[in-house]
Amino acid sequence: EAGVAQSPRYKIIEKRQSVAFWCNPISGHATLYWYQQILGQGPKLLIQFQNNGVVDDSQLPKDRFSAERLKGVDSTLKIQPAKLEDSAVYLCASSLRKLADTQYFGPGTRLTVL
Amino acid sequence: GQQVMQIPQYQHVQEGEDFTTYCNSSTTLSNIQWYKQRPGGHPVFLIQLVKSGEVKKQKRLTFQFGEAKKNSSLHITATQTTDVGTYFCAGQGKTDSWGKLQFGAGTQVVVTP
Repeated sequence: EAGVAQSPRYKIIEKRQSVAFWCNPISGHATLYWYQQILGQGPKLLIQFQNNGVVDDSQLPKDRFSAERLKGVDSTLKIQPAKLEDSAVYLCASSLRKLADTQYFGPGTRLTVL
Repeated sequence: GQQVMQIPQYQHVQEGEDFTTYCNSSTTLSNIQWYKQRPGGHPVFLIQLVKSGEVKKQKRLTFQFGEAKKNSSLHITATQTTDVGTYFCAGQGKTDSWGKLQFGAGTQVVVTP
């Protein structure tokens, strides 16, 4: 079974530029999560999709971050414009259902904002 | 809102020794999960605890869920170099209907041979 795929693996941009990350979850997984992990901290949930609908985006900085999962499969997270404090690893995870389910994480995208 | 705290933040262990890391939630949890993240890697699921007072073992790892379902612990016996990494607990609140997990900051484990 293929795992969660993410691209790119690394990205370096300058502040005020835009960036987009892509995630393809495990086949058949209805729930998709985007996390931000700052160095030395635990993952922080940015947004959670159930199929193609958003069920939690309470910690997403909506003035600069956006995400979509149009067909209920793969997803894109965008930052526009980026700030220095956005430097982090962006992890995508998926789970089969929602409640009490194991989350499977992708390798992450390491973003550096200069 | 719900907060999950882990102690200690760092754990230096001599190979062969035992240690315990603790996880405390500000609210009662529906369940708690533990993940391990190797240096440069991504979190990998270890185990889930659901019942009050539940104890589960995986080889040298023993996981426990508190009676009040607000705390948990991970005990590792006879630590090996393969145990290096950061261990995260992640709790799901009782009132959360969408399975949102709140991760702790993790315990970074360093093992000296």
